[in-house]
Order: sequence, then C-alpha cells, then structure tokens
Amino acid sequence: QVQLVESGGGVVQPGGSLRLSCAASGFTFSSYDMHWVRQAPGKGLEWVAFIRYDGSNEYYADSVKGRFTISRDNSKNTLYLQMNRLRAEDTAVYYCAKDFSGYYGSGSYYSCFDYWGQGTLVTVSS
Amino acid sequence: EIVLTQSPGTLSLSPGERATLSCRASQSVSSSYLAWYQQKTGQAPRLLIYGASSRATGIPDRFSGSGSGTDFTLTISRLEPEDFAVYYCQQYGSSPRYTFGQGTKLEIK
Repeated sequence: QVQLVESGGGVVQPGGSLRLSCAASGFTFSSYDMHWVRQAPGKGLEWVAFIRYDGSNEYYADSVKGRFTISRDNSKNTLYLQMNRLRAEDTAVYYCAKDFSGYYGSGSYYSCFDYWGQGTLVTVSS
Repeated sequence: EIVLTQSPGTLSLSPGERATLSCRASQSVSSSYLAWYQQKTGQAPRLLIYGASSRATGIPDRFSGSGSGTDFTLTISRLEPEDFAVYYCQQYGSSPRYTFGQGTKLEIK
C-alpha cells in the first residue's frame, strides 16, 4: 500500500534553515508528480510546492518562492523540501502528498492529492 | 487568484441526518478542478471527491459532490459517527497552483 513518511521537522530560529524528507513506498515513485502542503496550528491547508515526476519542473506558492526548494531523488524514492530564511509564519505541519491527476474521456483535466503522509511539525521560534 | 469560501464554518448535526457543505469560488472554476477532503483531528487529509463529483477509491457512496461554475456542494446522505471531521474544498489553477477553502467543521449535535 502507498506510504509516505515525512521526517526532518523540529524547532529552528527565524532566519534559519531546515530540510524535510519524505520517504515513499508502495507505488512507482519515479512515475508521479509530488507536492508539499502545510497546515499552521489550528488553521487550514496551504499548498507549498510541486515537482514533476522527473524533477524537470518545480512550482511554488508565492509565500515561499525564493526561500524554499523542492527536489527529489528517484533512486532513493525520496522527496525533499529545503527551507531557508524561515519565518515565524512558516510554523506548520508539513505534509508530502502524491499527485492525482489525469484526464476524463471528455478531455477535462483533474488534479489533486490522493495520498498524504502523517506530517512533520516545523516550529520557527527564537 | 481564485478564493474558495466554505460555508457554514461549523455545522452541527446528528448521526443519520443529511449534511450539505458549500464551497463558493470567487470566479468560475472548471468543475473538473474541484476536490473535497476530510480531515480528522490529528490526521492527514483524505481525498473524498475529485472532479467535483467523482468519488475517490474506497469512499462510501453516502458521500457525493456536485456543482459547477462558482458553487459546489459536498453532501453526506446519512451521517455516520466517523464522518464528524473538518472538510476542505480545493481547486487546481493554471501555473500550476492549488488553493483550499478555509474548511467546514462538521460536529455532533
């Protein structure tokens, strides 16, 4: 079965850096686009970043663009999120999520997230 | 950027009742771009509905989605005790980018 296991969270000071990892199993990781989504304590969900199955393209939310970098190692079935210049407002549980996209017979495109990890908490505080 | 507004913020119902949750977009959204998730306390979200009305794998048929344009609805026909949770709608936008509604908490009355 599909499993996504995040790690690397912790407490970091404002301005600091942290790298999150997401170990994937139960599916052909190298064939799927992947995402990071975060949730601040007691708040809703916010999409953070997306990477193509082969690492060829990356996309970011405006709130993290220029500070965060998504990457992957398909040989290790692992997704990463390098977070630099962290701010208090980056405090959240970070989830990795498997992309679920495709086309209906009508040609309409759908794109969402069908499997999620359990999340890892990042706290930015002095 | 398209903003999704969910209503009500909290919905108090009893098991066996019908739940109707709303998601309104600030501008028209292709129905194929709209998804719904369930999140229980301390757990990751779970995909329920994609393409506005297609149930994800393993989702019971008491969950259904509908809508088009700017107005979308998640309906739970007969609430089970395990259905009390927070529900989020989500839309896919070009670029790509993804946005979520702020959530509706479904609580036991």
